[in-house]
Amino acid sequence: AQSVTQLDSHVSVSEGTPVLLRCNYSSSYSPSLFWYVQHPNKGLQLLLKYTSAATLVKGINGFEAEFKKSETSFHLTKPSAHMSDAAEYFCVVSPGYSSASKIIFGSGTRLSIRP
Amino acid sequence: EAGVTQSPTHLIKTRGQQATLRCSPISGHTSVYWYQQALGLGLQFLLWYDEGEERNRGNFPPRFSGRQFPNYSSELNVNALELEDSALYLCASARDTNEKLFFGSGTQLSVL
Repeated sequence: AQSVTQLDSHVSVSEGTPVLLRCNYSSSYSPSLFWYVQHPNKGLQLLLKYTSAATLVKGINGFEAEFKKSETSFHLTKPSAHMSDAAEYFCVVSPGYSSASKIIFGSGTRLSIRP
Repeated sequence: EAGVTQSPTHLIKTRGQQATLRCSPISGHTSVYWYQQALGLGLQFLLWYDEGEERNRGNFPPRFSGRQFPNYSSELNVNALELEDSALYLCASARDTNEKLFFGSGTQLSVL
């Protein structure tokens, strides 16, 4: 069975400081893991994707995530937050074998940026 | 390249009515997925269409249905609307069933 847990429903950081959005997963298979971002009134946008290649994945807008199998984590980080990063972020797990109908979305983390 | 387009952007209905939501996938994408995003919840998988066929559906009642047309566009129909159906409905398309999803901007359905 698969599941994904985003440990924080809301994260608030000051502009210019690091961002950490936490995600833990469980999967019976070798999963693919994703982070999506949803800006207000916009659709979801893929930030980055892990598919069993390098464990440190670099995405768009300076975000990156590290796959840690021993900790079953896939936390999203960014060294320096920007006001435009304020959005909802979803961690997603997909089994290595099949369709997007098996994809499990986390409940989301709202990132707020303080000036 | 045009992205996934959904219409309408907003839809207001009353209880018991029917709602029809539309989605046009990216050109070349044959798979269309529908998700419901209710307030405070993550995305919940609704339906998956590929090559005109319903391939899978999530844990939703039968009054949620849809179809995919020969041009791969899709409709989501919700019958006998209930207040808790108020949500953002997102459509996504993909070229391959285990590949990157591209999402539309969603239809915000409000049931009064």
